[in-house]
Amino acid sequence: DAEITQSPRHKITETGRQVTLACHQTWNHNNMFWYRQDLGHGLRLIHYSYGVHDTNKGEVSDGYSVSRSNTEDLPLTLESAASSQTSVYFCASSRVETGELFFGEGSRLTVL
Amino acid sequence: GQNIDQPTEMTATEGAIVQINCTYQTSGFNGLFWYQQHAGEAPTFLSYNVLDGLEEKGRFSSFLSRSKGYSYLLLKELQMKDSASYLCAVMDSNYQLIWGAGTKLIIKP
Repeated sequence: DAEITQSPRHKITETGRQVTLACHQTWNHNNMFWYRQDLGHGLRLIHYSYGVHDTNKGEVSDGYSVSRSNTEDLPLTLESAASSQTSVYFCASSRVETGELFFGEGSRLTVL
Repeated sequence: GQNIDQPTEMTATEGAIVQINCTYQTSGFNGLFWYQQHAGEAPTFLSYNVLDGLEEKGRFSSFLSRSKGYSYLLLKELQMKDSASYLCAVMDSNYQLIWGAGTKLIIKP
């Protein structure tokens, strides 16, 4: 069965460290997204990609970067982690035709 | 600005019916989605409405009125497993999803 997986599921890091969250999908979807979810807020879009070598900034992209070297993977990098980036991060992919999102299990990041 | 409003929390009784409302103001409209999210888990797709009217899918139905900027999700014959957050999201003119903060539904026996 096709799926979308994230790793690590839980991570604790220190302020200033670089962190990379991995996202891998086997749906063969062109569209991939990274969201963060915090209490009291809806899902907020960090970055997204509509295909290989395509990346775009979302509404909360400061301090984050992504790269898309193949269809399956969209890693999210925090260049210098800050306490404000403590959150649950969700990767998602979608078919262009339907827009329906398929989410990974989430990665809980704590920045101390 | 773009805005999605839904109640923060609702409580209902097992076996009953509950309606979760969502109102939106967005730059354009290309459809409205409802997702279910159990605590500690990822959101999962429930429904998609792009035309006015009611879409029924088993115990769940979703209604849309584009002229009023309004949708609701109707859950019938509530079960304990329906305790979850329900997320409303609108796709705007740029095909970007705008998300509400979610409605936490608590089901009591």
